[in-house]
Amino acid sequence: GENVEQHPSTLSVQEGDSAVIKCTYSDSASNYFPWYKQELGKRPQLIIDIRSNVGEKKDQRIAVTLNKTAKHFSLHITETQPEDSAVYFCAARNSGYSTLTFGKGTMLLVSP
Amino acid sequence: KAGVTQTPRYLIKTRGQQVTLSCSPISGHRSVSWYQQTPGQGLQFLFEYFSETQRNKGNFPGRFSGRQFSNSRSEMNVSTLELGDSALYLCASSLMGDYGYTFGSGTRLTVV
Repeated sequence: GENVEQHPSTLSVQEGDSAVIKCTYSDSASNYFPWYKQELGKRPQLIIDIRSNVGEKKDQRIAVTLNKTAKHFSLHITETQPEDSAVYFCAARNSGYSTLTFGKGTMLLVSP
Repeated sequence: KAGVTQTPRYLIKTRGQQVTLSCSPISGHRSVSWYQQTPGQGLQFLFEYFSETQRNKGNFPGRFSGRQFSNSRSEMNVSTLELGDSALYLCASSLMGDYGYTFGSGTRLTVV
């Protein structure tokens, strides 16, 4: 089955800095890669996703890049703010109606 | 439109007991997936139901079971509870089980 590795497990940045979280996946047939943000005590919420037919997608301060050859994808957050502090999960799903496999999460702490 | 509703929000049970958790998906969504979230293991897939059929199953013991009703509401049951079953149980719904998973707020189960 699919295996998703996520790094780093914790990331501390200063407000205004950029943050990058990286994930690798094992199944070359995977074609859908969402990212979820989970604030303390709340449910995971989808913040951005990318499909295998594109290499990059942006939404304001966040962007995701995908390298299918290397089987890795990354989340980039620019101009970080304290409210970006949360746990971020990457996930991958292969073709067909298989399930989402999640990474173990990255705790991002943005200090004012 | 209403989001994914999970009940109850909190539950305390004794070892050996059984428990039933409920999930009502977004109206029109036919796929419901269940995940177990623990601090060290992240989000681990339990099972997915689509149109009342279990379509995928994770690597959990047979004590964990589920079902889906004709209105797409889903329940999961855990029998003979163990201390290690203490976790946040999340369900996620999507239209067809391919993209756009939306999570509920979860049920926090504590086994004592």
